[in-house]
Amino acid sequence: NAGVTQTPKFQVLKTGQSMTLQCAQDMNHNSMYWYRQDPGMGLRLIYYSASEGTTDKGEVPNGYNVSRLNKREFSLRLESAAPSQTSVYFCASRGQGFTEAFFGQGTRLTVV
Amino acid sequence: AQSVSQHNHHVILSEAASLELGCNYSYGGTVNLFWYVQYPGQHLQLLLKYFSGDPLVKGIKGFEAEFIKSKFSFNLRKPSVQWSDTAEYFCAVKGTTDSWGKFQFGAGTQVVVTP
Repeated sequence: NAGVTQTPKFQVLKTGQSMTLQCAQDMNHNSMYWYRQDPGMGLRLIYYSASEGTTDKGEVPNGYNVSRLNKREFSLRLESAAPSQTSVYFCASRGQGFTEAFFGQGTRLTVV
Repeated sequence: AQSVSQHNHHVILSEAASLELGCNYSYGGTVNLFWYVQYPGQHLQLLLKYFSGDPLVKGIKGFEAEFIKSKFSFNLRKPSVQWSDTAEYFCAVKGTTDSWGKFQFGAGTQVVVTP
């Protein structure tokens, strides 16, 4: 079972470059999330999507945009990367009701 | 606003020692509670979860957690750790009325088990 799949796994960007992180889930989940993980700060929510066609800001949305392309896919875009966006990015999804979130393998992004 | 506090950032212990990780939360309503584990280089995996009922929850790999509503706590325990328990542990909270499922995570506790 694939679960939540993120691409790429690693990426190095130069300051000012743009890129899109891809996320897809095959569990027919409605809700999808993008988090960033930084040492000593846990996971912080960037954006989330409760269903196809809806997105909303989380705790740290500045510098990011998202697209919920369909029920399966939720992408995160950095329009102009900054060193402060160096982090590990996790995508997650969750079904309805009393369920937990399922996480992807993560993308380690370095902005130089 | 929701917040989650994990008491220890780093814990080092020997194999066979007992482990207890503290988690306190702040939230004005009923909550669902979770402990996730992240092994080195891997993604977060669910250890256990509490939604309702018995406040003592048993999870995978011998872990358990106790929900104490009066103390807003959900501490994780394991009676005897193994080297393979070396990982980072995250406590997470979600409000039950939050249909969007926004999870609030603690900062994490890095656990190192020495042989």
